[in-house]
Amino acid sequence: KAGVTQTPRYLIKTRGQQVTLSCSPISGHRSVSWYQQTPGQGLQFLFEYFSETQRNKGNFPGRFSGRQFSNSRSEMNVSTLELGDSALYLCASSLNGGVDTQYFGPGTRLTVL
Amino acid sequence: AQKVTQAQTEISVVEKEDVTLDCVYETRDTTYYLFWYKQPPSGELVFLIRRNSFDEQNEISGRYSWNFQKSTSSFNFTITASQVVDSAVYFCALSEALEGGSEKLVFGKGTKLTVNP
Repeated sequence: KAGVTQTPRYLIKTRGQQVTLSCSPISGHRSVSWYQQTPGQGLQFLFEYFSETQRNKGNFPGRFSGRQFSNSRSEMNVSTLELGDSALYLCASSLNGGVDTQYFGPGTRLTVL
Repeated sequence: AQKVTQAQTEISVVEKEDVTLDCVYETRDTTYYLFWYKQPPSGELVFLIRRNSFDEQNEISGRYSWNFQKSTSSFNFTITASQVVDSAVYFCALSEALEGGSEKLVFGKGTKLTVNP
């Protein structure tokens, strides 16, 4: 079974731009979660989607948003980029969310200049 | 709130040495799950183990073993006869129940393990 895939793997943007990251979960998995990883804050939960609905969101500003499609693929969007948004963005999929184990993709490394 | 503490920021060992990575957690929940993930330089978080709070049996998988002690809120990870390929950052994580039936993972800061030849 193919693992979680994320595209693109690397991105360079400038302040004020917006960016869209994509995540394809493991086949059959219906829950997708997003995490941000930075050297200072570590790994932090962004949001979780299940059946095209956002079930929960972490403590991030409204500039961070996402969506999930009927095939469980998910995208996250960051608008009006700030230097502090530079991070590794990791997507994780699980069967149905909840206590199911989350399997992570390789991440998208975003650099904001 | 849930909290995971990995006090060891970096550990360096020589190949074939045994090494233990410490993890201490705080939670209000009576039912919870603990995890260990490995992050090699490529960046992907690789799942290693999941443990239910009701199951305090230690687990061994090849060179890896885990010691879960509820009394001390610890879930330590030991690598026996370490190898260079074990070099990575290791994260301990704790599940936190959220509204709507979902859960998120609360991660420790990670322990960077370097195994030298």
